[in-house]
Amino acid sequence: DGGITQSPKYLFRKEGQNVTLSCEQNLNHDAMYWYRQDPGQGLRLIYYSQIVNDFQKGDIAEGYSVSREKKESFPLTVTSAQKNPTAFYLCASSMVGQGVKGYTFGSGTRLTVV
Amino acid sequence: AQKITQTQPGMFVQEKEAVTLDCTYDTSDPSYGLFWYKQPSSGEMIFLIYQGSYDQQNATEGRYSLNFQKARKSANLVISASQLGDSAMYFCAMREGAIYQKVTFGIGTKLQVIP
Repeated sequence: DGGITQSPKYLFRKEGQNVTLSCEQNLNHDAMYWYRQDPGQGLRLIYYSQIVNDFQKGDIAEGYSVSREKKESFPLTVTSAQKNPTAFYLCASSMVGQGVKGYTFGSGTRLTVV
Repeated sequence: AQKITQTQPGMFVQEKEAVTLDCTYDTSDPSYGLFWYKQPSSGEMIFLIYQGSYDQQNATEGRYSLNFQKARKSANLVISASQLGDSAMYFCAMREGAIYQKVTFGIGTKLQVIP
């Protein structure tokens, strides 16, 4: 079955270390997105990519980096410059134009900085 | 200004009763879409229902319906015959733009269904 796989589900990181969150989709979607979710703040867009080798900053890109070398993959790196990285991270994908069902989401990665 | 406003942090509903979750939006784009997603405690986001700005009729999907009042810029979700499995966070979202269709989410409403 097609879908989006995020790994790992839980991730612990020491302060000052970079960490990479994986997002892979087999839906043949062109666009992919990373969102951050904090309690009481809904989802905020970090980065998005509409085609391979191209990506754009979202609303809260500082301290994060991404790459889009393959259509299926959109990894997110949380760098040591991100001041408050503990959060729930959701990856999503869509066809350009999205259709009526919007995004397909992964099951998320919960990152905790210790 | 907030693009999507959900003013109910938490709601309770008796099992088998109907419940309305409020959502208002703000956009100057004539072409937009409104979505509702459900997020159970496990974390995944589940698409529930979609309403396009040019759709004449309110969207319905099974027990979910979207009460779309364009002039008031509201897109409330109505869940009929609530079930215990409906207990979750519910997010209203809006898609804007023709080329890059950015989606903005509200802060969510936590719904608890009481037996």
